[in-house]
Amino acid sequence: AQKITQTQPGMFVQEKEAVTLDCTYDTSDPSYGLFWYKQPSSGEMIFLIYQGSYDQQNATEGRYSLNFQKARKSANLVISASQLGDSAMYFCASLRVEYGNKLVFGAGTILRVKS
Amino acid sequence: DAGITQSPRHKVTETGTPVTLRCHQTENHRYMYWYRQDPGHGLRLIHYSYGVKDTDKGEVSDGYSVSRSKTEDFLLTLESATSSQTSVYFCATMDPGRSQPQHFGDGTRLSIL
Repeated sequence: AQKITQTQPGMFVQEKEAVTLDCTYDTSDPSYGLFWYKQPSSGEMIFLIYQGSYDQQNATEGRYSLNFQKARKSANLVISASQLGDSAMYFCASLRVEYGNKLVFGAGTILRVKS
Repeated sequence: DAGITQSPRHKVTETGTPVTLRCHQTENHRYMYWYRQDPGHGLRLIHYSYGVKDTDKGEVSDGYSVSRSKTEDFLLTLESATSSQTSVYFCATMDPGRSQPQHFGDGTRLSIL
Protein backbone atom coordinates (compact mmCIF):
# COMPACT_ATOMS: atom_id res chain seq x y z
CA ALA A 1 0.00 0.00 0.00
CA GLN A 2 1.03 3.61 -0.43
CA LYS A 3 0.42 6.59 1.73
CA ILE A 4 1.05 10.28 1.19
CA THR A 5 1.30 12.56 4.20
CA GLN A 6 0.98 16.32 4.02
CA THR A 7 1.41 17.54 7.58
CA GLN A 8 0.53 21.20 7.01
CA PRO A 9 -3.24 21.69 6.72
CA GLY A 10 -2.73 25.41 6.08
CA MET A 11 0.14 27.78 5.40
CA PHE A 12 0.57 31.53 5.10
CA VAL A 13 3.32 33.24 3.14
CA GLN A 14 4.10 36.86 2.42
CA GLU A 15 3.96 37.91 -1.21
CA LYS A 16 7.36 37.64 -2.95
CA GLU A 17 8.74 35.26 -0.35
CA ALA A 18 9.49 31.56 -0.85
CA VAL A 19 7.46 28.81 0.77
CA THR A 20 7.96 25.07 1.21
CA LEU A 21 5.04 22.64 1.29
CA ASP A 22 5.88 19.33 2.89
CA CYS A 23 5.14 15.88 1.52
CA THR A 24 6.30 12.50 2.76
CA TYR A 25 5.46 9.21 1.13
CA ASP A 26 5.47 5.60 2.14
CA THR A 27 5.91 3.08 -0.62
CA SER A 28 7.51 -0.27 -1.28
CA ASP A 29 7.14 0.06 -5.05
CA PRO A 30 10.48 -0.24 -6.85
CA SER A 31 9.54 2.49 -9.30
CA TYR A 32 7.25 5.42 -8.68
CA GLY A 33 6.65 9.05 -9.51
CA LEU A 34 5.73 12.03 -7.41
CA PHE A 35 3.44 14.83 -8.54
CA TRP A 36 2.23 18.12 -7.24
CA TYR A 37 -1.12 19.55 -8.29
CA LYS A 38 -2.67 22.93 -7.56
CA GLN A 39 -6.38 23.37 -7.00
CA PRO A 40 -7.55 27.00 -6.95
CA SER A 41 -10.90 28.00 -5.53
CA SER A 42 -12.46 27.48 -8.97
CA GLY A 43 -11.90 23.75 -8.45
CA GLU A 44 -9.82 22.53 -11.39
CA MET A 45 -6.74 20.37 -10.85
CA ILE A 46 -3.61 21.89 -12.36
CA PHE A 47 -0.44 19.84 -12.81
CA LEU A 48 2.63 21.63 -11.48
CA ILE A 49 5.66 19.37 -11.37
CA TYR A 50 6.80 15.75 -11.56
CA GLN A 51 9.73 13.80 -10.08
CA GLY A 52 10.59 10.23 -11.04
CA SER A 53 12.03 7.94 -8.41
CA TYR A 54 15.12 7.31 -10.52
CA ASP A 55 15.70 10.94 -11.49
CA GLN A 56 19.04 12.12 -10.14
CA GLN A 57 18.27 15.82 -10.21
CA ASN A 58 15.48 17.66 -8.49
CA ALA A 59 12.72 18.75 -10.86
CA THR A 60 12.12 22.42 -11.57
CA GLU A 61 9.34 24.17 -13.48
CA GLY A 62 9.58 27.95 -13.45
CA ARG A 63 8.96 29.12 -9.88
CA TYR A 64 8.28 25.57 -8.71
CA SER A 65 10.94 23.14 -7.60
CA LEU A 66 10.69 19.76 -5.97
CA ASN A 67 13.08 19.00 -3.13
CA PHE A 68 13.33 15.22 -3.51
CA GLN A 69 15.07 13.33 -0.70
CA LYS A 70 14.68 9.67 -1.51
CA ALA A 71 16.26 8.32 1.66
CA ARG A 72 13.88 10.40 3.77
CA LYS A 73 10.97 9.64 1.44
CA SER A 74 10.13 13.29 1.12
CA ALA A 75 9.14 15.35 -1.91
CA ASN A 76 8.61 18.91 -0.76
CA LEU A 77 7.35 21.60 -3.13
CA VAL A 78 9.17 24.92 -3.07
CA ILE A 79 7.45 27.95 -4.54
CA SER A 80 9.76 30.91 -5.01
CA ALA A 81 8.65 34.55 -5.15
CA SER A 82 5.07 33.82 -4.09
CA GLN A 83 2.27 35.63 -5.89
CA LEU A 84 -1.31 36.30 -4.81
CA GLY A 85 -2.44 33.88 -7.50
CA ASP A 86 -0.59 31.08 -5.75
CA SER A 87 -3.30 31.01 -3.08
CA ALA A 88 -4.85 27.57 -3.53
CA MET A 89 -4.98 24.00 -2.26
CA TYR A 90 -1.88 21.97 -3.11
CA PHE A 91 -1.85 18.20 -3.40
CA CYS A 92 1.09 15.85 -3.38
CA ALA A 93 0.51 12.52 -5.12
CA SER A 94 2.47 9.39 -5.87
CA LEU A 95 2.16 7.42 -9.07
CA ARG A 96 2.05 3.65 -8.82
CA VAL A 97 3.76 2.81 -12.08
CA GLU A 98 3.42 -0.95 -11.71
CA TYR A 99 -0.22 -0.82 -10.62
CA GLY A 100 -2.24 0.79 -13.38
CA ASN A 101 -0.48 4.13 -13.07
CA LYS A 102 -2.78 4.96 -10.18
CA LEU A 103 -2.33 8.17 -8.25
CA VAL A 104 -2.45 8.20 -4.45
CA PHE A 105 -3.11 11.67 -3.05
CA GLY A 106 -2.31 13.38 0.21
CA ALA A 107 -4.99 15.37 2.05
CA GLY A 108 -3.65 18.66 0.74
CA THR A 109 -2.26 21.94 2.09
CA ILE A 110 -4.11 25.24 1.76
CA LEU A 111 -1.71 28.06 0.95
CA ARG A 112 -2.66 31.68 1.46
CA VAL A 113 -0.43 34.42 0.08
CA LYS A 114 -0.62 37.73 1.95
CA SER A 115 -0.02 41.11 0.32
CA ASP B 1 -5.37 20.80 -21.84
CA ALA B 2 -6.16 17.13 -22.50
CA GLY B 3 -9.69 17.83 -23.72
CA ILE B 4 -11.65 16.16 -20.94
CA THR B 5 -15.33 16.93 -20.58
CA GLN B 6 -17.36 15.79 -17.61
CA SER B 7 -21.15 15.80 -17.63
CA PRO B 8 -23.18 16.84 -15.87
CA ARG B 9 -21.20 19.49 -14.00
CA HIS B 10 -23.72 19.65 -11.19
CA LYS B 11 -26.44 17.26 -10.11
CA VAL B 12 -28.83 17.02 -7.21
CA THR B 13 -30.74 13.81 -6.74
CA GLU B 14 -32.47 11.73 -4.11
CA THR B 15 -31.29 8.74 -2.15
CA GLY B 16 -31.97 5.47 -3.93
CA THR B 17 -31.96 6.84 -7.47
CA PRO B 18 -29.46 5.69 -10.10
CA VAL B 19 -26.90 8.24 -11.29
CA THR B 20 -24.50 8.11 -14.21
CA LEU B 21 -21.61 10.48 -14.69
CA ARG B 22 -19.88 10.72 -18.03
CA CYS B 23 -16.29 11.48 -18.90
CA HIS B 24 -15.39 12.19 -22.51
CA GLN B 25 -11.84 12.70 -23.78
CA THR B 26 -10.51 13.77 -27.15
CA GLU B 27 -6.83 12.90 -26.63
CA ASN B 28 -7.02 9.14 -27.23
CA HIS B 29 -5.39 8.45 -23.86
CA ARG B 30 -5.39 4.80 -22.93
CA TYR B 31 -5.90 5.19 -19.18
CA MET B 32 -8.95 6.81 -17.61
CA TYR B 33 -9.76 7.27 -13.92
CA TRP B 34 -12.59 8.30 -11.64
CA TYR B 35 -11.79 9.98 -8.30
CA ARG B 36 -13.90 11.47 -5.59
CA GLN B 37 -12.81 14.46 -3.51
CA ASP B 38 -13.94 14.92 0.07
CA PRO B 39 -12.66 17.34 2.71
CA GLY B 40 -9.69 15.92 4.61
CA HIS B 41 -9.15 13.07 2.17
CA GLY B 42 -7.72 14.62 -0.95
CA LEU B 43 -8.72 12.64 -4.03
CA ARG B 44 -9.42 8.94 -3.77
CA LEU B 45 -9.54 6.52 -6.67
CA ILE B 46 -12.89 4.85 -7.33
CA HIS B 47 -12.25 2.87 -10.53
CA TYR B 48 -9.93 3.08 -13.48
CA SER B 49 -9.65 1.73 -17.00
CA TYR B 50 -6.55 0.67 -18.87
CA GLY B 51 -8.29 0.07 -22.17
CA VAL B 52 -11.68 -0.47 -23.79
CA LYS B 53 -13.65 -2.89 -21.61
CA ASP B 54 -10.66 -3.21 -19.24
CA THR B 55 -11.41 -1.80 -15.80
CA ASP B 56 -10.27 -2.32 -12.24
CA LYS B 57 -11.22 -1.17 -8.77
CA GLY B 58 -9.66 1.61 -6.76
CA GLU B 59 -9.63 2.12 -3.02
CA VAL B 60 -13.25 3.32 -2.66
CA SER B 61 -15.13 1.27 -5.26
CA ASP B 62 -18.05 0.00 -3.15
CA GLY B 63 -21.36 1.28 -4.50
CA TYR B 64 -19.91 2.29 -7.86
CA SER B 65 -19.60 0.60 -11.24
CA VAL B 66 -17.93 1.74 -14.45
CA SER B 67 -18.02 0.98 -18.13
CA ARG B 68 -15.82 1.83 -21.06
CA SER B 69 -17.17 0.77 -24.45
CA LYS B 70 -15.15 3.34 -26.41
CA THR B 71 -11.70 4.81 -25.91
CA GLU B 72 -13.12 8.28 -25.45
CA ASP B 73 -15.89 7.58 -22.93
CA PHE B 74 -15.73 6.36 -19.33
CA LEU B 75 -18.98 6.15 -17.38
CA LEU B 76 -19.36 6.06 -13.61
CA THR B 77 -22.64 4.69 -12.26
CA LEU B 78 -24.10 4.85 -8.80
CA GLU B 79 -26.72 2.10 -8.93
CA SER B 80 -28.61 3.35 -5.87
CA ALA B 81 -27.22 6.63 -4.63
CA THR B 82 -26.66 7.20 -0.92
CA SER B 83 -25.96 10.41 0.98
CA SER B 84 -22.39 9.23 1.64
CA GLN B 85 -21.76 9.50 -2.08
CA THR B 86 -22.29 13.25 -2.03
CA SER B 87 -18.96 14.50 -3.28
CA VAL B 88 -17.06 16.13 -6.10
CA TYR B 89 -16.12 13.63 -8.78
CA PHE B 90 -13.13 14.04 -11.05
CA CYS B 91 -12.27 12.18 -14.20
CA ALA B 92 -8.64 11.95 -15.32
CA THR B 93 -6.80 10.53 -18.31
CA MET B 94 -3.21 9.53 -18.89
CA ASP B 95 -0.82 8.18 -21.45
CA PRO B 96 1.33 5.34 -20.08
CA GLY B 97 4.77 6.43 -19.00
CA ARG B 98 6.19 7.65 -15.76
CA SER B 99 6.71 11.22 -16.81
CA GLN B 100 3.20 11.83 -18.04
CA PRO B 101 0.87 13.63 -15.65
CA GLN B 102 -2.73 12.70 -15.26
CA HIS B 103 -4.94 15.35 -16.82
CA PHE B 104 -8.15 16.15 -14.99
CA GLY B 105 -11.60 17.21 -16.02
CA ASP B 106 -13.29 20.12 -14.27
CA GLY B 107 -15.25 17.93 -11.88
CA THR B 108 -18.89 17.08 -11.19
CA ARG B 109 -20.50 18.26 -7.99
CA LEU B 110 -23.03 15.60 -6.92
CA SER B 111 -25.44 16.14 -4.05
CA ILE B 112 -27.62 13.29 -2.82
CA LEU B 113 -30.44 14.32 -0.55
